[in-house]
Amino acid sequence: EAGVAQSPRYKIIEKRQSVAFWCNPISGHATLYWYQQILGQGPKLLIQFQNNGVVDDSQLPKDRFSAERLKGVDSTLKIQPAKLEDSAVYLCASSLISGANQETQYFGPGTRLLVL
Amino acid sequence: AQSVTQLGSHVSVSEGALVLLRCNYSSSVPPYLFWYVQYPNQGLQLLLKYTSAATLVKGINGFEAEFKKSETSFHLTKPSAHMSDAAEYFCAVSGEGRRALTFGSGTRLQVQP
Repeated sequence: EAGVAQSPRYKIIEKRQSVAFWCNPISGHATLYWYQQILGQGPKLLIQFQNNGVVDDSQLPKDRFSAERLKGVDSTLKIQPAKLEDSAVYLCASSLISGANQETQYFGPGTRLLVL
Repeated sequence: AQSVTQLGSHVSVSEGALVLLRCNYSSSVPPYLFWYVQYPNQGLQLLLKYTSAATLVKGINGFEAEFKKSETSFHLTKPSAHMSDAAEYFCAVSGEGRRALTFGSGTRLQVQP
């Protein structure tokens, strides 16, 4: 079974530029998550989708971050314009059914973003 | 709000020694608790999870954790460390309304030969 795929793996941009990340979850997984992991910290949820609907985006900085999952499968996360403090690893995860609390989340390898 | 505290950002053990990584949680509802491992430049991999079925949970690679409600703890242990166990370990909790995980800040395990 193929895991969660993410691209690109690494990205370097200058502040005020825009950047987009792509995630393809495990086939058949209804719930998709984007996490931000700043160096030395644990991952923090940015947004959670169930199919193509948003379940939780309370911690997404909506003035600069946006995300979509149009067909209920793959997803893109965009930052525009980027700030220095956005330098982090962006992790995508998916879970099988409803995103229930006890469900296992499967993580992709992440995209490492450096903003100069 | 739910939260996780991992005591010790760095733990160093000798190969063959006991591994103990500490995790304390806070939750207003019965929690679900997870331990994930992260190897360099990789995503997180589930080691084990507690879902209220049994307080002692066995996971992959010889790890286990015990849920202690009275101590609000979910410490991770392994009887004998192996060099391949060197990685970062994250404890996480879910259960308070939101479905996503709340992670601790992680513990980096170093295994000395």
